[in-house]
Formats: sequence, C-alpha cells, structure tokens
Amino acid sequence: GEDVEQSLFLSVREGDSSVINCTYTDSSSTYLYWYKQEPGAGLQLLTYIFSNMDMKQDQRLTVLLNKKDKHLSLRIADTQTGDSAIYFCAESNRDSNYQLIWGAGTKLIIKP
Amino acid sequence: NAGVTQTPKFQVLKTGQSMTLQCAQDMNHEYMSWYRQDPGMGLRLIHYSVGAGITDQGEVPNGYNVSRSTTEDFPLRLLSAAPSQTSVYFCASSWESAWGNEQFFGPGTRLTVL
Repeated sequence: GEDVEQSLFLSVREGDSSVINCTYTDSSSTYLYWYKQEPGAGLQLLTYIFSNMDMKQDQRLTVLLNKKDKHLSLRIADTQTGDSAIYFCAESNRDSNYQLIWGAGTKLIIKP
Repeated sequence: NAGVTQTPKFQVLKTGQSMTLQCAQDMNHEYMSWYRQDPGMGLRLIHYSVGAGITDQGEVPNGYNVSRSTTEDFPLRLLSAAPSQTSVYFCASSWESAWGNEQFFGPGTRLTVL
C-alpha cells in the first residue's frame, strides 16, 4: 500500500534554515500537504502543493516537489523558536478514495 | 466560530469499559473523520463520514463505532476499551473530501486504558 516516510527529528539553530524531508511511494499522488502540530494541540495546515507543481513559496516557507524521486521537502527560512513543532507530511490521491496518508511526523528542535 | 471541538480532553478507562468521545464542528463541513495518533506513527484513520447519515470505515476501525445524525456532530464510541486503544484521538472536518481541501483538527482527546 501507499507509504509516507519522514525522519523523526531535526535539530537546527535559531536563525538557520530548516529543511524537513518526506518521501512517498504512491505515483498517483495528486495533493501533498504539510501540517504543523504544536505541543498539546491539533494539527494545522501549513501549505499544500498540487502534483503538477515543482515549487510553492509562502513567506518563510518553500515547498519543493521532485515527482521523479517522489520526494517532498519543506524549507523554513530564518527558523524561530515559535517554529518548534512536529511537522507532518501527507498525501492524497483518487485511488485511496481521497483519504490522506500520513507520515509519522518530524519533530523540529530549535537550538539557541 | 469555535471550529472543531472535542470532549473530553483527557480520559482514563479500565479495560472493558465503554465510552463516547464527542466531536462537533460549526463550519457546516460535510466531511468529518476520526484519527488516532500513536508515537512514531502517522495519523491513522478510524472512521469517516461524507455527510449526515453516511459513515465508512478507515484504516483501523475495529473496536470503534461512529454515527452521524447531524452535520455538526460525529461521536466516536469505544465499545469495550482495551489497552491497545490507549492513544491520542483527533477529530477533523473539511468542506468536502480530504483531497485538495484543508482539514481542520480538534485539540485531541488523550485516552489511557488501564
């Protein structure tokens, strides 16, 4: 079945860029998402990209999609302490009846 | 708007007890779903509903029941709690299906089964 993989942890220094990576197996994925979960809270949509796009930028966030390698990344420029959270990658496609397939989440740790 | 609300926030059950986790949304969303979140794993879909009166099973439905009598409410029932159901449960809603639509999540219910 479909699978979405992420590293469990990423540690960066405040002010540096964070790059969170995600790989997926489903070649028919059409939407790929990044959600953010702050401690003790539910998930919140950060951004998403349609599979006919290579890149999407929104302020400090840049999403890159490499369809050939089935690789998705989220870059956070000028990482701040408020960016500390777990970041989930997810994908959806028609074959899975539009259900989201989730990665396990990457915990972003900010070092002062 | 309150968005998606869940109650209770925390719950401890003994094995074999039953209970209902409540979920409500005030955004008139057709699509609602229940997930469980376990350490080191992605969210897993338990049940979902595409509208009032319509529900379907997700990836891990065993031991759980749902109903959708109104657009606003989507309760999750644990029939006979087991320690394997210790988890954090999230309810989510969206305009239509998850495809291409933002899902709005509730704050979660942390359930411990002893």
